Amino acid sequence: AQSVTQLDSQVPVFEEAPVELRCNYSSSVSVYLFWYVQYPNQGLQLLLKYLSGSTLVKGINGFEAEFNKSQTSFHLRKPSVHISDTAEYFCAVKEAAGNKLTFGGGTRVLVKP
Amino acid sequence: NAGVTQTPKFRVLKTGQSMTLLCAQDMNHEYMYWYRQDPGMGLRLIHYSVGEGTTAKGEVPDGYNVSRLKKQNFLLGLESAAPSQTSVYFCASSELAGVYYEQYFGPGTRLTVT
Repeated sequence: AQSVTQLDSQVPVFEEAPVELRCNYSSSVSVYLFWYVQYPNQGLQLLLKYLSGSTLVKGINGFEAEFNKSQTSFHLRKPSVHISDTAEYFCAVKEAAGNKLTFGGGTRVLVKP
Repeated sequence: NAGVTQTPKFRVLKTGQSMTLLCAQDMNHEYMYWYRQDPGMGLRLIHYSVGEGTTAKGEVPDGYNVSRLKKQNFLLGLESAAPSQTSVYFCASSELAGVYYEQYFGPGTRLTVT
């Protein structure tokens, strides 16, 4: 069975500083990888996804993530955060042949002025 | 398009009461899902459906039932609510699984069981 670990439950960061959110997964088969963002009191929306091809994936709002197969990681980065990036971020994995997502526990990002 | 909508947005139940949560999507998606979100545990899949008239168990199905009588609707039922079911419930939908896979989420239902 696949599993997803987000190593940091909370990440405080100052405005305009860079941020990296870590995600590691375990699976014995090929996977697709996703990052979702949840703003306060809202549902989840897709930031970016890795299906195949280039291991560096660019998403919305200036976020990017890098897939590292050997380390089974899919870390999310943004070079300069804004106050509006305050949210909870979820990493998720889906087996390529499956139809279900498995989510990590989430990382809460608090951007301080 | 409204996307994925959920009814109600908030609900308070007493232990033992029953209720049904309604999810509707207007994107003609085949797949629909019900998740619960609890602090530090991410989203956990309760039940899902791969098409009209089908349902399947997810990771945490106990205490819940679902029905998919129409393609656009997916209902989640609690027959006898328990405090452990206090959570935020999210519905999601997607096209057929594959290279274009992406789940679209509703705004959530916050349920408190006292």
